[in-house]
Amino acid sequence: DQQVKQNSPSLSVQEGRISILNCDYTNSMFDYFLWYKKYPAEGPTFLISISSIKDKNEDGRFTVFLNKSAKHLSLHIVPSQPGDSAVYFCAASAASGAGSYQLTFGKGTKLSVIP
Amino acid sequence: ETGVTQSPTHLIKTRGQQVTLRCSSQSGHNTVSWYQQALGQGPQFIFQYYREEENGRGNFPPRFSGLQFPNYSSELNVNALELDDSALYLCASSLELFTDTQYFGPGTRLTVL
Repeated sequence: DQQVKQNSPSLSVQEGRISILNCDYTNSMFDYFLWYKKYPAEGPTFLISISSIKDKNEDGRFTVFLNKSAKHLSLHIVPSQPGDSAVYFCAASAASGAGSYQLTFGKGTKLSVIP
Repeated sequence: ETGVTQSPTHLIKTRGQQVTLRCSSQSGHNTVSWYQQALGQGPQFIFQYYREEENGRGNFPPRFSGLQFPNYSSELNVNALELDDSALYLCASSLELFTDTQYFGPGTRLTVL
């Protein structure tokens, strides 16, 4: 039973346009959400996070939106650059209960930014 | 400030053997978590150590075990290797147990033949 789902295995976007990566979760105990970027042969690199008390967090070209009622979050990259081409993982954690502070990951979305 | 480092980079073992993977936390971080990433999947939580004590374990059998040392570096040991243990093993550190952001090392690629 996947608690964090990224339903799009891949996404292609033109350079300069917006990339939108989506993530859904089922566990209502999750209260912190993160996005990681991963290049081949490297470990995941932390990108941006959001606490459940917020609905938006921005960092430069990256913005994460959280819709708690829909149990949905999205990562927006504007403008997209060829160097953004990587696999993006959505992850979630809970501050309490069984498995607190462990990260639960989705399967990832491969983003390709076309020059 | 050095990031999370892992050794070795690659490892090839045969079924039934034992393996030890190593991780050095980012400077000042006292919490280490280990994840297994199979091909085409997201990382899966194995266990977490905080100040040398295990603090939470995922759905992995007891032949997966770990240690954290006083300098907060860590080891992952896997006994009686199976073919399905072939994966990328990732170590992540965080500043404190109650800090949600974890920073990952480059991983160790384990192949079991």
